[in-house]
Amino acid sequence: QITLKESGPTLVKPTQTLTLTCTFSGFSLTANGGNREGVGWIRQPPGKALEWLALISWDDGKRFSPSLKNRLSITKDTSKKQVVLSMTNMDPLDTGTYYCARFLFYSSGTYYMAHDFWGQGTLVTVSS
Amino acid sequence: EIVLTQSPGTLSLSPGERATLSCRASQTVTNNYLAWYQQKPGHAPRLLIYRASSRATGIPDRFSGSGSGTDFTLTISRLEPEDFAVYYCQHYGSGLPITFGPGTKVDI
Repeated sequence: QITLKESGPTLVKPTQTLTLTCTFSGFSLTANGGNREGVGWIRQPPGKALEWLALISWDDGKRFSPSLKNRLSITKDTSKKQVVLSMTNMDPLDTGTYYCARFLFYSSGTYYMAHDFWGQGTLVTVSS
Repeated sequence: EIVLTQSPGTLSLSPGERATLSCRASQTVTNNYLAWYQQKPGHAPRLLIYRASSRATGIPDRFSGSGSGTDFTLTISRLEPEDFAVYYCQHYGSGLPITFGPGTKVDI
């Protein structure tokens, strides 16, 4: 059974750095086995659309949203089964629900290239 | 970066009707790496379709995806009450950032 869960502060002040942790189970995020997986972060301001932020792959490859890449970092600890996203210089416009989701590149001979399992999301409010 | 445009913004239909949702990409989507998600209020998105036309595990066959190149379609053949939600398309390209479309709301 695959699960992901986001954790971190619910309230941050403007200019602070947000650090969110995604703890996952049911997959490894390593090169072992036949799957090729990643973990991505996606956010959603209240009442608005999804915005993709970042992805880290099984091979430690990383990609970022061009508009936010200067503020983002992403790391993984496969022994703890965690992926950590950091976003610097937080602003009230960064308020929203932050999701982590598995990104399945490849499994059993099929390329997927989609986020197939999602966490429940965590609401982050940026306010002084 | 590939920009995705979805239309219409809102689709007002009744249960039993057919829904046709469009997703257009600003550049060719290679290998048809285009996915569709459903999101209900207060819930995380759910993967419906991957690689433009393959249904994800457990997705009913009233959901179907089609298209290639820059134009893609999600069709819901007969709307059930639980299908009223927001639908997003998402693109993946080698070396490119992943992007989501702005969404289509399917409303009663």
